[in-house]
Order: sequence, then structure tokens, then C-alpha cells
Amino acid sequence: ILNVEQSPQSLHVQEGDSTNFTCSFPSSNFYALHWYRWETAKSPEALFVMTLNGDEKKKGRISATLNTKEGYSYLYIKGSQPEDSATYLCASSGYSTLTFGKGTMLLVSP
Amino acid sequence: GAGVSQSPRYKVAKRGQDVALRCDPISGHVSLFWYQQALGQGPEFLTYFQNEAQLDKSGLPSDRFFAERPEGSVSTLKIQRTQQEDSAVYLCASSPLMMVNTEAFFGQGTRLTVV
Repeated sequence: ILNVEQSPQSLHVQEGDSTNFTCSFPSSNFYALHWYRWETAKSPEALFVMTLNGDEKKKGRISATLNTKEGYSYLYIKGSQPEDSATYLCASSGYSTLTFGKGTMLLVSP
Repeated sequence: GAGVSQSPRYKVAKRGQDVALRCDPISGHVSLFWYQQALGQGPEFLTYFQNEAQLDKSGLPSDRFFAERPEGSVSTLKIQRTQQEDSAVYLCASSPLMMVNTEAFFGQGTRLTVV
């Protein structure tokens, strides 16, 4: 994997559904993996920064896991709510920059 | 201020016009980044400053793009002779230290439309 790739590109779920997204990144020269949530007309907001293989972080109904050996991270949302609707970006941290994926656009319908 | 501030929020420029986009990072943040997000794409790295030093400008798409941070705080991204392909959201982010394992704080972006 040469770039940061996210899937799916977009997702439409019903309120109460649980969902997950995937982020794939180059496993060589890995420093850290970031997840951001970007709501329309707002600033991207950091959700998690993970560095260690096997890391698992949780914030409310949102959690993330990290596998640095195979180069992937999962973001999980349990019991989706309409306010979770946003674009979720992951980024792999290099020495002086973040390389972003294209994001997963989530829409949660009431 | 409490967060990263960018101005203007929206800018419409005629093709060939020069534009300047401003970023006020969080006070004391050493690192400052500019990203460009075209429609349907993720943010693409443009350039990175550590204090006033521009350490990486490898993402600037052409020599029409120029960024500066003369006093290590406010930064300006200048685009000369704008083209339609420059239309995008330009995001600025800052962080206290190196980016490696610290979160970046983003501004709301400047949406540039070149007509």
C-alpha cells in the first residue's frame, strides 16, 4: 500500500445501526495513525491518535483499533445517531506531515 | 484565540487574480500545516512550517503557490495568477510539537472558487 486508503467512500445507515470503516496505510516508516471527524461547515476534529500495534481507543460510542504490522485501522460507531453524520478522515503520520485518506462520508437517518 | 482561525472563509477570484489566505494558529503552536482539499478528495498536503522555517514545501502544486510564516505565528498562503483547478478548500492546521503523535488542530478552511 503506497497511499492511505479508506473504505467505504460513503455510507448511509439508520439511527441505531452500528457501523465500521476501514483505513489502510503503508506499514513501513509508520509513526502514528490519526482519525478525524469533519462535520460540514466546521473544522476537522481529532478523534484518536494511535501509535502502538494493537492499540484500541474509545470515546463514547466510537472506538478504533490499530494493526501496524498489516497496515490497517478500523473505526467503529455503536448505535449511530444523526449527529454522527460527518466525513471521517484517517491520516498516517510521517516525520513532518499527515497523509490523509479521502474519507468516509457517513449519513445517519433518523 | 481559542482555536485556529482562517480568513477569509470564502473567496471568489477571477482567473488570473492573485489571492492571499491567512491562518492564525493556536498561540504557542510550533508546527503549522497547509492542506488543499479538492471536491471529493481528502486533504492533500501542501507545506509545513516549524516556527518560521518552512521545512517541507513538497506539496505545493506549482511555483504560483507560495507560503510564509515570517514571525513563526501567522501564516499566509499566496496563490498567484489563479486557475480554475485551484478551486478547493484550503485548510490550515497547527500542533504544539512535531506531528508524529500529537493531534492537529484545524481551522474551518477557506473555500476558494476561481471563476
